Amino acid sequence: GQQLNQSPQSMFIQEGEDVSMNCTSSSIFNTWLWYKQDPGEGPVLLIALYKAGELTSNGRLTAQFGTTRKDSFLNISASIPSDVGIYFCAGQLAIWDDKIIFGKGTRLHILP
Amino acid sequence: GAVVSQHPSWVICKSGTSVKIECRSLDFQATTMFWYRQFPKQSLMLMATSNEGSKATYEQGVEKDKFLINHASLTLSTLTVTSAHPEDSSFYICSLPVGQGSGEQYFGPGTRLTVT
Repeated sequence: GQQLNQSPQSMFIQEGEDVSMNCTSSSIFNTWLWYKQDPGEGPVLLIALYKAGELTSNGRLTAQFGTTRKDSFLNISASIPSDVGIYFCAGQLAIWDDKIIFGKGTRLHILP
Repeated sequence: GAVVSQHPSWVICKSGTSVKIECRSLDFQATTMFWYRQFPKQSLMLMATSNEGSKATYEQGVEKDKFLINHASLTLSTLTVTSAHPEDSSFYICSLPVGQGSGEQYFGPGTRLTVT
């Protein structure tokens, strides 16, 4: 079946550092989505990308939809303690199907 | 504010019993909702698509007789885990697609099920 390869699996950074994570697939996606999940809660949508090449920002977060439609990255600038959590990429394969598939997640840890 | 609510937020039950989890759409009419399961330190796996007024569509490998889904109204979908076993212990999350054809989904806060 279709898979999203998300990397890195985990990151340990200092507060204030920039963060970058990405997702790749062998399949072409109609939409790329980035979610953040805090412990014991449901995922929260951070950024949605609809067009190849699209670059979208949400505060300190920036995400891009790859030109081949098979990849996406998420950058977080100047990390702060509340950025800790799990970040998931997700992709929609077909415009007629609202189903999405998730990457395995990137766990972000901020060192004291 | 919240778009999707779930009840209960956590539940402990004994092996062999059944547990019902509710998912409510607070702001949108939901003809479709999704149910996911998430094991510790793993990603979300889609279990089924809940369809208002008709049968749910289950993903491959998900037992439809064990995970009963009912979507009787435009604001409520329920997932009943029947004859629960310890291996059913997981975090169950529902979601609501909100952007027609966009794939965007809003997720509920999840329900932690522990089967003893």
